[in-house]
Amino acid sequence: DSGVTQTPKHLITATGQRVTLRCSPRSGDLSVYWYQQSLDQGLQFLIQYYNGEERAKGNILERFSAQQFPDLHSELNLSSLELGDSALYFCASSSNPGLDIRELFFGEGSRLTVL
Amino acid sequence: AQKVTQAQTEISVVEKEDVTLDCVYETRDTTYYLFWYKQPPSGELVFLIRRNSFDEQNEISGRYSWNFQKSTSSFNFTITASQVVDSAVYFCALSGDNFNKFYFGSGTKLNVKP
Repeated sequence: DSGVTQTPKHLITATGQRVTLRCSPRSGDLSVYWYQQSLDQGLQFLIQYYNGEERAKGNILERFSAQQFPDLHSELNLSSLELGDSALYFCASSSNPGLDIRELFFGEGSRLTVL
Repeated sequence: AQKVTQAQTEISVVEKEDVTLDCVYETRDTTYYLFWYKQPPSGELVFLIRRNSFDEQNEISGRYSWNFQKSTSSFNFTITASQVVDSAVYFCALSGDNFNKFYFGSGTKLNVKP
């Protein structure tokens, strides 16, 4: 158990809909990262937050948005869903940034299926 | 630019064989960190090792060992006496001076057959 909690584990929805994925980082971790893993694909970095502020942005679509709340949990909002958005969405947390990079700890992922 | 290349898409071995997973990275940063993660069929990503650019000592942990060579920009992972439970996708990752970003390779799928 990594200590990172993601909900829901599985989600099935239709095209055009909107969903919210939730992540609770490990206790004490201020950084939250979101990654997308499509079928047989690698990990695509979406976005990173540190203590409530956006720190880095990757290949995140405009239809997607995220935020980190004062209690440090984070939500990833996916709207106007398309079939191609079907993927495993991972949240990871870390105790960095700082001069010493720490590893990312990943949640179990939220598997989104868009029909 | 930061980049991680895992040229081996898929490897199949028979149990008890040794297997090496290759990882080649590109970075202009003088300080950086390298990582290996395991993704078993169940899907979760499990952290295996972290190595900083100033520590070129090889590391051994049980049946796992890692060979870091700055001269060839490689951070290879060897599993000795492989077991069926080692079957997974293994990802190599890099984080550099812009410590906000982690760059992952495309992964190597390891199949260990009984």
